Amino acid sequence: QKEVEQDPGPLSVPEGAIVSLNCTYSNSAFQYFMWYRQYSRKGPELLMYTYSSGNKEDGRFTAQVDKSSKYISLFIRDSQPSDSATYLCAMSSRNTPLVFGKGTRLSVIA
Amino acid sequence: KAGVTQTPRYLIKTRGQQVTLSCSPISGHRSVSWYQQTPGQGLQFLFEYFSETQRNKGNFPGRFSGRQFSNSRSEMNVSTLELGDSALYLCASSLGQGRLAPLHFGNGTRLTVT
Repeated sequence: QKEVEQDPGPLSVPEGAIVSLNCTYSNSAFQYFMWYRQYSRKGPELLMYTYSSGNKEDGRFTAQVDKSSKYISLFIRDSQPSDSATYLCAMSSRNTPLVFGKGTRLSVIA
Repeated sequence: KAGVTQTPRYLIKTRGQQVTLSCSPISGHRSVSWYQQTPGQGLQFLFEYFSETQRNKGNFPGRFSGRQFSNSRSEMNVSTLELGDSALYLCASSLGQGRLAPLHFGNGTRLTVT
């Protein structure tokens, strides 16, 4: 079992839809959870950063962490064509480097 | 503030050659990490440096090496290149030594080995 599992998609939604992206993980020591967005030919860009369980909201983006289920989610409200990218979940513990999911490719159709 | 800068952006090498990739972190960032990104494996951790010391190393062969200079700039070297080394190599910097500071990535160096 890989440490971090993420559905690769691709996921295609109409403009304005609510998007739900998810990752599961196996290492219960993970404490820091991040979501990155990667456009074609660019490096990953940090979107959201959370510590331990709970919700965090930033504009149209909401990150959720459920440590009891080892499950994290990213919700995008009112999705826009500019949100079309690959979304990567990532997580780490105090003593381990960041481990990434393989990414979900999202297309938002106008 | 300038972001993480990686040079060169693209590189084509022949099997058996060696290559050196360069990374300049965000000003003030002292930690630099390197990742390899391929379609099949995603992002895989190579190594991490803080104040010129290697803190962690991923599960890659000894052909992959790196170093960090006193100005926090970093280089990674791959010797005896193999076809499977073709990938996007990403450098990331962060503010501190601990995990509380998230990583900020450059746009990578695309290495093609023929």
